[in-house]
Amino acid sequence: GENVEQHPSTLSVQEGDSAVIKCTYSDSASNYFPWYKQELGKGPQLIIDIRSNVGEKKDQRIAVTLNKTAKHFSLHITETQPEDSAVYFCAPRRGATNKLIFGTGTLLAVQP
Amino acid sequence: GAGVSQSPRYKVAKRGQDVALRCDPISGHVSLFWYQQALGQGPEFLTYFQNEAQLDKSGLPSDRFFAERPEGSVSTLKIQRTQQEDSAVYLCASSLAPIGWTLQETQYFGPGTRLLVL
Repeated sequence: GENVEQHPSTLSVQEGDSAVIKCTYSDSASNYFPWYKQELGKGPQLIIDIRSNVGEKKDQRIAVTLNKTAKHFSLHITETQPEDSAVYFCAPRRGATNKLIFGTGTLLAVQP
Repeated sequence: GAGVSQSPRYKVAKRGQDVALRCDPISGHVSLFWYQQALGQGPEFLTYFQNEAQLDKSGLPSDRFFAERPEGSVSTLKIQRTQQEDSAVYLCASSLAPIGWTLQETQYFGPGTRLLVL
């Protein structure tokens, strides 16, 4: 089955610094690559996504880059703020299935 | 408009009891998913509905788990004879698109039901 790994598993940064989380997947048929943010006691919330025909997408302080050849995609957060502290999950999906395969998660702590 | 809602938010059950978890998806959303999230882990897929049809139940861990969506809106996940290993957060998600669509496929998650089996 699909194997999805994230690195690092925990990340601590100072407010204002940048954070990068990498997601590696095994299924070459994956064609949709979302990132979810999960705060304590809440369900995951989509923060950005990218499709396989695009290499990069940016939305204000958040960006996602995709390398389909190497089978990995990364989340970039610039000018981090304390409210960015949460667990982040990548969830690559094969188009025909609709089910998301979540990564192992990255706990991001932004220190004020 | 309202997001995905789930009830109850917390459930404590004694081992061997049956439980029923409810999901109210966003109005008009065709697709509905159930995921199980163990402590410190990412959500894992359980089952998928397109309207009232259960198209994929490959993630259900045993025949004690049963899900239904009889009228294509509200869904119920039922766990019979609960075991301690069933303790987890059960997440429901819905999306506007049916399976195979490449637009409007974003899955919106509810807050989850935290189940503790003693």
